Amino acid sequence: DQQVKQNSPSLSVQEGRISILNCDYTNSMFDYFLWYKKYPAEGPTFLISISSIKDKNEDGRFTVFLNKSAKHLSLHIVPSQPGDSAVYFCAASESFGNEKLTFGTGTRLTIIP
Amino acid sequence: EPEVTQTPSHQVTQMGQEVILRCVPISNHLYFYWYRQILGQKVEFLVSFYNNEISEKSEIFDDQFSVERPDGSNFTLKIRSTKLEDSAMYFCAWGTGSSYNSPLHFGNGTRLTVT
Repeated sequence: DQQVKQNSPSLSVQEGRISILNCDYTNSMFDYFLWYKKYPAEGPTFLISISSIKDKNEDGRFTVFLNKSAKHLSLHIVPSQPGDSAVYFCAASESFGNEKLTFGTGTRLTIIP
Repeated sequence: EPEVTQTPSHQVTQMGQEVILRCVPISNHLYFYWYRQILGQKVEFLVSFYNNEISEKSEIFDDQFSVERPDGSNFTLKIRSTKLEDSAMYFCAWGTGSSYNSPLHFGNGTRLTVT
């Protein structure tokens, strides 16, 4: 039962260009969404989040967009840097920030110098 | 540097053996979690722990699993009789009770290999 889906297992982007990572969800009860970044041999690191009352949240090079009607969110990284190469997980929770997170399967982003 | 330290970083055990994974928070956290990631799969919620009690657990967290905070500091996950399918990365996490206030922070994980 994949309530959170990341359909692209991998993505390669040229350094300096925009990286767009996508995430779809099926559970209408989700009201808070997060993006985590993970390097090998490390735990997930929080990047950015968005609540269901917003459609956009921006933090430096990172912007998350939420389309509730389509049950879709995306993470934009611009400009992409080599240090951004990692696995990116989309996560969602019910009850506005409940820390029981449902994760997607991740997208491996590779930034090409 | 993560705010929780997990030990060991890698544990190899034989099927049927008991393992204890440990998590040591640096500051005085109240909400603790265990998540796991089977190789190539998504990170999955196992259990949440607050005020020395389990507050929520997933279907994965069956009778073979237990958690405790025996000395008020270490937070442990015990698997009584390991199975091959328990092989995974196990992540301890701490939070404030609401991701809205502060996002969940994860440790670097323990890689458990069951042979």
